Amino acid sequence: KNQVEQSPQSLIILEGKNCTLQCNYTVSPFSNLRWYKQDTGRGPVSLTIMTFSENTKSNGRYTATLDADTKQSSLHITASQLSDSASYICVVSAQDSNYQLIWGAGTKLIIKP
Amino acid sequence: EAQVTQNPRYLITVTGKKLTVTCSQNMNHEYMSWYRQDPGLGLRQIYYSMNVEVTDKGDVPEGYKVSRKEKRNFPLILESPSPNQTSLYFCASRRNGPTGLREQYFGPGTRLTVT
Repeated sequence: KNQVEQSPQSLIILEGKNCTLQCNYTVSPFSNLRWYKQDTGRGPVSLTIMTFSENTKSNGRYTATLDADTKQSSLHITASQLSDSASYICVVSAQDSNYQLIWGAGTKLIIKP
Repeated sequence: EAQVTQNPRYLITVTGKKLTVTCSQNMNHEYMSWYRQDPGLGLRQIYYSMNVEVTDKGDVPEGYKVSRKEKRNFPLILESPSPNQTSLYFCASRRNGPTGLREQYFGPGTRLTVT
């Protein structure tokens, strides 16, 4: 069964610190992996999209990595800011006819001043 | 401004009273989709539409209906809402594409409570 699991479920860090969020998936055949940021009560917004051949991708202070062999991805946030407080969701697309998305439950990140 | 809009944003209703949540996008996207989000769970797809007059069931279609008469609109219909449909609903749209890498844009969400 296609699944995406994220850890930790929640994380609290101090402003200015770095953190890394994890994503493991069992989606086959794999098409791509995305990281979304979702502010409370709002729709998800895309941070990165990576295909099989991409190992790392950055978007400002966000850096995503992908290991397609171990089916793991991570999202690293550098020098966190209060505005980074949100849920971060890992989403994997299967290479079926409609490229349906399999969503993780997300990691809730809280940045404290 | 390119966007996906949903209405209403908040809705409290009673069991069995039919309701419709509207979704509209101004980006000329072929693909539109409805999701529900519940605490501790990932987004689950309810229905999707690859183009006008083409709709398909997602992972949790029971108790919902959709229609796609126009490219820009994709309403979600609950014929007889029940308390287990209390949830946060998102509409999304994107272009169709051969690689599945098309960016998906989400609406602001509709928080539905069924008592």
